[in-house]
Amino acid sequence: NAGVTQTPKFQVLKTGQSMTLQCAQDMNHNSMYWYRQDPGMGLRLIYYSASEGTTDKGEVPNGYNVSRLNKREFSLRLESAAPSQTSVYFCASSALSIAGGQGPQETQYFGPGTRLLVL
Amino acid sequence: SQQGEEDPQALSIQEGENATMNCSYKTSINNLQWYRQNSGRGLVHLILIRSNEREKHSGRLRVTLDTSKKSSSLLITASRAADTASYFCAARSYNTDKLIFGTGTRLQVFP
Repeated sequence: NAGVTQTPKFQVLKTGQSMTLQCAQDMNHNSMYWYRQDPGMGLRLIYYSASEGTTDKGEVPNGYNVSRLNKREFSLRLESAAPSQTSVYFCASSALSIAGGQGPQETQYFGPGTRLLVL
Repeated sequence: SQQGEEDPQALSIQEGENATMNCSYKTSINNLQWYRQNSGRGLVHLILIRSNEREKHSGRLRVTLDTSKKSSSLLITASRAADTASYFCAARSYNTDKLIFGTGTRLQVFP
């Protein structure tokens, strides 16, 4: 199993350009997530998808859109890139829905990340 | 921000020494998890401790949780150069079920 894969690994954009970050998982997980990681700030949740066909905003959704294309794939789109979106983006998946309530042990599996530079 | 905090931000030790990292969080939790991140790579899950547990062991890892103080610690015993990485705590919020990550501790283990 490849686990969680992300493309591209690196990208340089000019302000105002658009792009889509791709993520796929082969673990049959219901839930998928997009995070951004900035120096000194840990990971912050951008959007998540509890199950195929559903998406919800996380902590920092402004400037982003997502699509849960099917159970395997969850893409993140920047419609008009800004320098503030320079970051490392991580996709993750997990086996449980985050619909609420206490659940059994569950962890997230992360992709290798996409480094994005917006000039 | 609900983001957790970790201290120290950076830690340098010699091989064979123990490394202790602390995490504080702000919300009520279902569990608390620790992740490791090697430079330029994604995060890898290390260990999970539930809110009704106080201590958990896994190999050279020991995690404690004090929900009254909203804090957790990760101890790596007999450290190795290969343990060099950044370590993040992540608290699973009781209310939202989302993981809230700490800011991370960068651990450097010298041979």
